[in-house]
Amino acid sequence: GAVVSQHPSWVICKSGTSVKIECRSLDFQATTMFWYRQFPKQSLMLMATSNEGSKATYEQGVEKDKFLINHASLTLSTLTVTSAHPEDSSFYICSARAPYEQYFGPGTRLTVT
Amino acid sequence: DQQVKQNSPSLSVQEGRISILNCDYTNSMFDYFLWYKKYPAEGPTFLISISSIKDKNEDGRFTVFLNKSAKHLSLHIVPSQPGDSAVYFCAASGGDTGNQFYFGTGTSLTVIP
Repeated sequence: GAVVSQHPSWVICKSGTSVKIECRSLDFQATTMFWYRQFPKQSLMLMATSNEGSKATYEQGVEKDKFLINHASLTLSTLTVTSAHPEDSSFYICSARAPYEQYFGPGTRLTVT
Repeated sequence: DQQVKQNSPSLSVQEGRISILNCDYTNSMFDYFLWYKKYPAEGPTFLISISSIKDKNEDGRFTVFLNKSAKHLSLHIVPSQPGDSAVYFCAASGGDTGNQFYFGTGTSLTVIP
């Protein structure tokens, strides 16, 4: 099946720094990618929808200036957590939409100290 | 507004018995449904899907049933195995949702050896 990769898989950063997470669709082109966040013992929370060549659409309550999304090509979307704080520590998962399915990346564990 | 709901946050089943995970949705325009399985610290993986033209889809030990009039779908796992222990998400799309899948809150399945 189609594969979506994420890099890095785990990152630790200091409070106040920025972290970039990459999401790649490896064997298909994805005009739409999604970024989710999962808190422990909670569901996936959709943060934003990323469309290639246009601005991302953010869900209500998600700070677009803090979570910068760039969908530069049909196979790459990036999420940058700017000025990270400990409360941003979470598991971030990207997903790419294919015609009949939505493929998920393996996730990125972000820990902000 | 939660358009896809999984009302049971957790379920425990004895190995070898049947696991039944339930999912309800509110949008009658949804016409495609999926189940995902998620292990801790990993991205969700696709399990099985069903379109609204069918009421049952079977793949090995996994069967998904769709009751459109009740806006309800269920995932049956039989026989359940300890390796099935994970969080299961249902998702739905269609109609005016565009590219977006709406996810339920997940059900944590524990299969007891």
